[in-house]
Amino acid sequence: GAVVSQHPSWVICKSGTSVKIECRSLDFQATTMFWYRQFPKQSLMLMATSNEGSKATYEQGVEKDKFLINHASLTLSTLTVTSAHPEDSSFYICSATSEGQVTNEQFFGPGTRLTVL
Amino acid sequence: AQSVTQLDSQVPVFEEAPVELRCNYSSSVSVYLFWYVQYPNQGLQLLLKYLSGSTLVKGINGFEAEFNKSQTSFHLRKPSVHISDTAEYFCAVTERNAGKSTFGDGTTLTVKP
Repeated sequence: GAVVSQHPSWVICKSGTSVKIECRSLDFQATTMFWYRQFPKQSLMLMATSNEGSKATYEQGVEKDKFLINHASLTLSTLTVTSAHPEDSSFYICSATSEGQVTNEQFFGPGTRLTVL
Repeated sequence: AQSVTQLDSQVPVFEEAPVELRCNYSSSVSVYLFWYVQYPNQGLQLLLKYLSGSTLVKGINGFEAEFNKSQTSFHLRKPSVHISDTAEYFCAVTERNAGKSTFGDGTTLTVKP
């Protein structure tokens, strides 16, 4: 099956620093990747949609300058949380779809737990 | 626009009892329907999906769901639950010609011994 990995699985950083999270599709080409944020006991909130080779489309209310998304290849997308603050602490999940799919099924990564001190 | 409503935020049930997790949706276009399970500190795992055809869909771990177009529902069922089924369950819809999915708020299934 389609496998998506995320790295790191967890990260702790100091306030004001930047953190990069990687999302990789291991056995398929991901033309589209999605980034979600999930607060404890809550649902997934879509942050942005990224297509390979083009700028990401951010959802309303998501600061594009704070959450930098790059989808430079068909197997890798990165989310950089710039100047992180404690309120950015959350569980970040990516998912991917491929152009060959007709179902728009998303394959999810295992998530990254970010804690900002 | 589309929306998903999971009618129960928490469902406690005893081991080996049947369970139903309810999901209603609204959309102005045709959609695909999904159920995912999430264990603590993990990503989402697909349980089952409805694309077309038979309205009764069977998934992994003994789960099944029935698509009801007239009631715009996609309820998840399992005839006999195990302790290991304790997790968060999300219902989601995706527009057929778009990529974005909309998720419900989740249902916490707690299976008690």
